[in-house]
Amino acid sequence: EPEVTQTPSHQVTQMGQEVILRCVPISNHLYFYWYRQILGQKVEFLVSFYNNEISEKSEIFDDQFSVERPDGSNFTLKIRSTKLEDSAMYFCASRRTEKLFFGSGTQLSVL
Amino acid sequence: ELKVEQNPLFLSMQEGKNYTIYCNYSTTSDRLYWYRQDPGKSLESLFVLLSNGAVKQEGRLMASLDTKARLSTLHITAAVHDLSATYFCAVTNTDKLIFGTGTRLQVFP
Repeated sequence: EPEVTQTPSHQVTQMGQEVILRCVPISNHLYFYWYRQILGQKVEFLVSFYNNEISEKSEIFDDQFSVERPDGSNFTLKIRSTKLEDSAMYFCASRRTEKLFFGSGTQLSVL
Repeated sequence: ELKVEQNPLFLSMQEGKNYTIYCNYSTTSDRLYWYRQDPGKSLESLFVLLSNGAVKQEGRLMASLDTKARLSTLHITAAVHDLSATYFCAVTNTDKLIFGTGTRLQVFP
């Protein structure tokens, strides 16, 4: 079965540094998402992306966050200046129909 | 604001027993999802329920949806250890998913 691929699996960074989390959605999918999960908590929506633009974003997705789909395959989440509270597992997801597929996640640790 | 509540939050059950996890949501939605998550892993799609009265079954798991009551259930039949995981329901709001708090299921011999 096709998969959503995320890299890196783990990222450790210093507070204030920029990070880019990368995702390769399933190739014929049209809708793309980022979610995050703080350890032991529920999964939270960050942003949705369709037709090369953001379709919706949450309160968490402030000016420090941005997304890009620079080519036909990659979908990236950038955090411009990381904070301690950004430490979480970040999941990319994509879909073509109603079934949403999640990637394996990037564990981000901000020190 | 759409809220999604699951209960119980934690469930310890013996192999061979049956149990039900409940998912309540506060406003109308057109899709409800059930996901399984193993520790440190991603979210595995179990079911997508689209309409009132929908029932889907896969192995020992059966999910149902009552849109009028805004309630979905995930029923576990004759539990086995391999079902130990955290189970999340999620409901669509516009195009995003709002997740429940999760139910951590532990199945013991």
